[in-house]
Amino acid sequence: GQSLEQPSEVTAVEGAIVQINCTYQTSGFYGLSWYQQHDGGAPTFLSYNALDGLEETGRFSSFLSRSDSYGYLLLQELQMKDSASYFCAGMNRDDKIIFGKGTRLHILP
Amino acid sequence: EAGVAQSPRYKIIEKRQSVAFWCNPISGHATLYWYQQILGQGPKLLIQFQNNGVVDDSQLPKDRFSAERLKGVDSTLKIQPAKLEDSAVYLCASSRDAFQETQYFGPGTRLLVL
Repeated sequence: GQSLEQPSEVTAVEGAIVQINCTYQTSGFYGLSWYQQHDGGAPTFLSYNALDGLEETGRFSSFLSRSDSYGYLLLQELQMKDSASYFCAGMNRDDKIIFGKGTRLHILP
Repeated sequence: EAGVAQSPRYKIIEKRQSVAFWCNPISGHATLYWYQQILGQGPKLLIQFQNNGVVDDSQLPKDRFSAERLKGVDSTLKIQPAKLEDSAVYLCASSRDAFQETQYFGPGTRLLVL
Protein backbone atom coordinates (compact mmCIF):
# COMPACT_ATOMS: atom_id res chain seq x y z
CA GLY A 1 0.00 0.00 0.00
CA GLN A 2 0.87 3.66 -0.04
CA SER A 3 0.93 5.82 3.05
CA LEU A 4 2.46 8.99 4.42
CA GLU A 5 3.28 9.38 8.10
CA GLN A 6 3.35 12.68 9.96
CA PRO A 7 3.37 13.58 13.67
CA SER A 8 -0.16 14.31 14.81
CA GLU A 9 0.76 17.47 16.71
CA VAL A 10 3.68 19.85 17.07
CA THR A 11 4.01 22.81 19.44
CA ALA A 12 6.35 25.76 18.97
CA VAL A 13 6.83 29.31 20.21
CA GLU A 14 6.05 32.45 18.25
CA GLY A 15 9.14 33.70 16.43
CA ALA A 16 10.84 30.31 16.52
CA ILE A 17 11.50 27.70 13.82
CA VAL A 18 9.61 24.42 13.54
CA GLN A 19 10.09 21.38 11.34
CA ILE A 20 7.26 19.03 10.39
CA ASN A 21 8.42 15.66 9.10
CA CYS A 22 6.80 13.36 6.59
CA THR A 23 7.89 9.84 5.74
CA TYR A 24 6.29 7.81 3.03
CA GLN A 25 6.04 4.15 2.21
CA THR A 26 5.30 3.50 -1.36
CA SER A 27 6.85 2.65 -4.61
CA GLY A 28 6.84 5.17 -7.34
CA PHE A 29 6.28 8.42 -5.49
CA TYR A 30 7.94 11.13 -7.48
CA GLY A 31 6.90 14.32 -5.75
CA LEU A 32 5.90 15.65 -2.34
CA SER A 33 3.55 18.57 -1.75
CA TRP A 34 2.62 20.48 1.38
CA TYR A 35 -0.75 22.02 2.16
CA GLN A 36 -1.91 24.28 4.99
CA GLN A 37 -5.42 24.09 6.40
CA HIS A 38 -6.84 26.45 8.99
CA ASP A 39 -9.76 25.28 11.11
CA GLY A 40 -12.92 25.40 9.04
CA GLY A 41 -10.99 26.31 5.91
CA ALA A 42 -9.90 24.55 2.75
CA PRO A 43 -6.39 23.20 2.19
CA THR A 44 -4.13 25.68 0.42
CA PHE A 45 -1.00 24.73 -1.49
CA LEU A 46 2.32 25.69 0.09
CA SER A 47 5.10 23.97 -1.84
CA TYR A 48 6.12 21.05 -4.00
CA ASN A 49 9.38 19.11 -4.25
CA ALA A 50 9.93 17.11 -7.40
CA LEU A 51 13.68 16.74 -6.83
CA ASP A 52 15.84 16.10 -3.79
CA GLY A 53 16.85 19.16 -1.87
CA LEU A 54 15.43 22.29 -0.37
CA GLU A 55 12.80 24.57 -1.88
CA GLU A 56 12.36 27.97 -0.26
CA THR A 57 9.29 30.17 -0.43
CA GLY A 58 9.47 33.09 1.96
CA ARG A 59 9.26 31.89 5.56
CA PHE A 60 8.43 28.35 4.45
CA SER A 61 10.89 25.80 3.07
CA SER A 62 10.37 22.21 2.08
CA PHE A 63 12.89 19.42 1.74
CA LEU A 64 12.80 16.04 0.02
CA SER A 65 15.10 13.05 0.08
CA ARG A 66 13.74 10.38 -2.25
CA SER A 67 16.41 7.87 -1.25
CA ASP A 68 15.23 8.15 2.37
CA SER A 69 11.51 8.43 1.48
CA TYR A 70 11.47 11.48 3.71
CA GLY A 71 10.60 15.12 3.55
CA TYR A 72 9.93 18.01 5.85
CA LEU A 73 8.34 21.42 5.98
CA LEU A 74 10.29 24.13 7.77
CA LEU A 75 8.50 27.20 9.07
CA GLN A 76 10.62 30.13 10.21
CA GLU A 77 9.76 33.25 12.22
CA LEU A 78 6.57 31.62 13.37
CA GLN A 79 3.50 33.81 13.61
CA MET A 80 0.28 33.09 15.44
CA LYS A 81 -1.52 32.91 12.10
CA ASP A 82 0.61 29.87 11.24
CA SER A 83 -1.44 27.84 13.72
CA ALA A 84 -3.09 25.33 11.41
CA SER A 85 -2.89 21.76 10.20
CA TYR A 86 -0.22 20.89 7.69
CA PHE A 87 -0.54 17.97 5.28
CA CYS A 88 2.09 16.32 3.17
CA ALA A 89 0.81 14.76 -0.02
CA GLY A 90 2.59 12.44 -2.37
CA MET A 91 2.04 12.09 -6.08
CA ASN A 92 2.64 8.64 -7.48
CA ARG A 93 3.50 7.65 -10.99
CA ASP A 94 -0.19 7.28 -11.84
CA ASP A 95 -0.53 11.02 -11.11
CA LYS A 96 -2.66 10.31 -8.07
CA ILE A 97 -2.20 12.34 -4.92
CA ILE A 98 -2.38 10.73 -1.49
CA PHE A 99 -2.56 12.89 1.65
CA GLY A 100 -1.06 12.23 5.06
CA LYS A 101 -3.26 12.53 8.15
CA GLY A 102 -1.92 15.97 8.93
CA THR A 103 0.08 17.66 11.67
CA ARG A 104 -1.65 20.16 13.90
CA LEU A 105 0.74 23.02 14.70
CA HIS A 106 0.15 24.86 17.96
CA ILE A 107 1.96 28.14 18.43
CA LEU A 108 2.49 29.58 21.88
CA PRO A 109 2.93 33.34 22.43
CA GLU B 1 -9.22 34.35 -11.17
CA ALA B 2 -12.27 33.02 -9.35
CA GLY B 3 -11.67 30.06 -7.07
CA VAL B 4 -13.40 26.73 -6.81
CA ALA B 5 -17.04 27.18 -5.83
CA GLN B 6 -19.04 24.67 -3.84
CA SER B 7 -22.57 24.53 -2.56
CA PRO B 8 -24.18 24.10 -0.20
CA ARG B 9 -21.69 25.03 2.54
CA TYR B 10 -23.57 23.10 5.20
CA LYS B 11 -26.08 20.29 5.12
CA ILE B 12 -27.83 18.35 7.85
CA ILE B 13 -29.81 15.26 6.93
CA GLU B 14 -31.10 12.12 8.57
CA LYS B 15 -29.64 8.74 7.79
CA ARG B 16 -31.08 7.02 4.77
CA GLN B 17 -31.85 10.37 3.14
CA SER B 18 -30.19 11.55 -0.06
CA VAL B 19 -27.95 14.55 -0.56
CA ALA B 20 -26.15 16.18 -3.46
CA PHE B 21 -23.20 18.53 -3.59
CA TRP B 22 -22.21 20.82 -6.44
CA CYS B 23 -18.79 22.04 -7.54
CA ASN B 24 -17.69 24.58 -10.12
CA PRO B 25 -13.94 24.36 -10.71
CA ILE B 26 -11.58 27.12 -11.76
CA SER B 27 -12.17 28.02 -15.39
CA GLY B 28 -9.97 26.03 -17.73
CA HIS B 29 -9.01 23.37 -15.19
CA ALA B 30 -9.34 19.97 -16.80
CA THR B 31 -8.97 17.88 -13.66
CA LEU B 32 -11.53 17.83 -10.86
CA TYR B 33 -11.33 15.95 -7.58
CA TRP B 34 -13.80 15.11 -4.84
CA TYR B 35 -12.37 14.41 -1.40
CA GLN B 36 -13.92 13.31 1.86
CA GLN B 37 -12.28 14.72 4.97
CA ILE B 38 -13.32 13.28 8.30
CA LEU B 39 -12.53 15.42 11.34
CA GLY B 40 -8.89 15.10 12.33
CA GLN B 41 -7.83 13.31 9.18
CA GLY B 42 -6.37 14.19 5.82
CA PRO B 43 -8.46 14.45 2.67
CA LYS B 44 -9.29 11.10 1.11
CA LEU B 45 -9.76 11.04 -2.65
CA LEU B 46 -13.18 9.77 -3.68
CA ILE B 47 -13.08 10.40 -7.40
CA GLN B 48 -10.93 12.17 -9.97
CA PHE B 49 -12.17 13.42 -13.33
CA GLN B 50 -10.09 14.38 -16.33
CA ASN B 51 -12.47 16.54 -18.38
CA ASN B 52 -15.68 14.47 -18.23
CA GLY B 53 -14.00 11.09 -17.88
CA VAL B 54 -13.29 9.26 -14.63
CA VAL B 55 -9.58 8.72 -13.94
CA ASP B 56 -9.83 7.16 -10.49
CA ASP B 57 -12.83 6.16 -8.42
CA SER B 58 -11.20 3.30 -6.54
CA GLN B 59 -12.14 4.71 -3.12
CA LEU B 60 -15.69 5.75 -4.00
CA PRO B 61 -18.32 3.62 -2.19
CA LYS B 62 -20.23 2.96 -5.36
CA ASP B 63 -23.17 1.32 -3.63
CA ARG B 64 -24.20 4.71 -2.25
CA PHE B 65 -22.00 7.40 -3.80
CA SER B 66 -22.14 8.64 -7.37
CA ALA B 67 -20.56 11.54 -9.20
CA GLU B 68 -20.75 13.04 -12.61
CA ARG B 69 -19.09 15.83 -14.51
CA LEU B 70 -21.21 16.58 -17.50
CA LYS B 71 -19.58 18.67 -20.23
CA GLY B 72 -16.30 18.54 -18.34
CA VAL B 73 -17.01 21.58 -16.18
CA ASP B 74 -19.35 21.46 -13.16
CA SER B 75 -19.65 18.34 -11.10
CA THR B 76 -22.11 16.86 -8.65
CA LEU B 77 -21.50 14.28 -5.94
CA LYS B 78 -24.49 12.38 -4.60
CA ILE B 79 -24.96 10.14 -1.58
CA GLN B 80 -27.99 7.87 -1.54
CA PRO B 81 -28.78 6.67 1.08
CA ALA B 82 -26.61 8.46 3.62
CA LYS B 83 -25.13 6.73 6.66
CA LEU B 84 -23.96 8.20 9.95
CA GLU B 85 -20.33 7.61 8.99
CA ASP B 86 -20.74 9.85 5.95
CA SER B 87 -20.61 12.88 8.24
CA ALA B 88 -17.56 14.75 6.98
CA VAL B 89 -16.44 17.71 4.91
CA TYR B 90 -16.63 17.10 1.19
CA LEU B 91 -13.98 19.04 -0.64
CA CYS B 92 -13.84 19.72 -4.34
CA ALA B 93 -10.52 20.63 -5.93
CA SER B 94 -9.29 21.32 -9.42
CA SER B 95 -6.00 21.52 -11.25
CA ARG B 96 -4.99 22.53 -14.76
CA ASP B 97 -4.46 18.90 -15.65
CA ALA B 98 -3.61 15.59 -14.04
CA PHE B 99 0.10 16.31 -14.17
CA GLN B 100 -0.12 19.37 -11.96
CA GLU B 101 1.07 18.99 -8.40
CA THR B 102 -0.95 22.01 -7.28
CA GLN B 103 -4.60 21.53 -6.50
CA TYR B 104 -6.94 24.40 -5.68
CA PHE B 105 -9.58 23.55 -3.13
CA GLY B 106 -13.05 24.90 -2.67
CA PRO B 107 -14.43 25.84 0.77
CA GLY B 108 -16.06 22.43 1.18
CA THR B 109 -19.49 21.22 2.21
CA ARG B 110 -19.93 20.17 5.82
CA LEU B 111 -22.33 17.25 6.01
CA LEU B 112 -23.87 16.06 9.23
CA VAL B 113 -25.90 12.86 9.12
CA LEU B 114 -28.17 12.32 12.13
